[in-house]
Amino acid sequence: AQKITQTQPGMFVQEKEAVTLDCTYDTSDPSYGLFWYKQPSSGEMIFLIYQGSYDQQNATEGRYSLNFQKARKSANLVISASQLGDSAMYFCAMTPANDYKLSFGAGTTVTVRA
Amino acid sequence: NAGVTQTPKFQVLKTGQSMTLQCAQDMNHNSMYWYRQDPGMGLRLIYYSASEGTTDKGEVPNGYNVSRLNKREFSLRLESAAPSQTSVYFCASSPGAMNTEAFFGQGTRLTVV
Repeated sequence: AQKITQTQPGMFVQEKEAVTLDCTYDTSDPSYGLFWYKQPSSGEMIFLIYQGSYDQQNATEGRYSLNFQKARKSANLVISASQLGDSAMYFCAMTPANDYKLSFGAGTTVTVRA
Repeated sequence: NAGVTQTPKFQVLKTGQSMTLQCAQDMNHNSMYWYRQDPGMGLRLIYYSASEGTTDKGEVPNGYNVSRLNKREFSLRLESAAPSQTSVYFCASSPGAMNTEAFFGQGTRLTVV
């Protein structure tokens, strides 16, 4: 069974600074996909970025980048140049290739200060 | 432009009552999911359906049943609601490949009194 761990329940970051959100995972499947989602206070789930287990390069999407370290089973999200609108809860998620079961970590709340 | 539609958006039940949460997607996705989210916590998988005709238990299936009625619809039933099932419920769908993201409904806020 897969497990996703996010050890930072809450973080504060100054506007315009970068913040790194930690995510480690455990799976026996050699092929899997990793995802990050954002959930603002309004409650909707917003997809941010995807990383495949066989991707050679770290994924990037605008101000979001994923620091993927396969041997460490780590997939940290980096948000650069933080904005007030980045204040939200962030979830790491994983799908193994063998059953498409999408599981989530407990989430990290990010608060951006002006 | 509908995506994933959940009904109802809000519901209050009395302990012991039953109800069905409805979910429909119009993106021709193969896989569908039901999650619950308790205050300040992550999403916990209740049941999922990797493809039409199949359903599997997630982390917290007790007290719930599901039906994948067709490719579009995946319903979640509470047979005898308990206060511990007070939560926000999210339905999601995905094409069913590991490299594609899931799309979420707006959630159903359920309170069991």
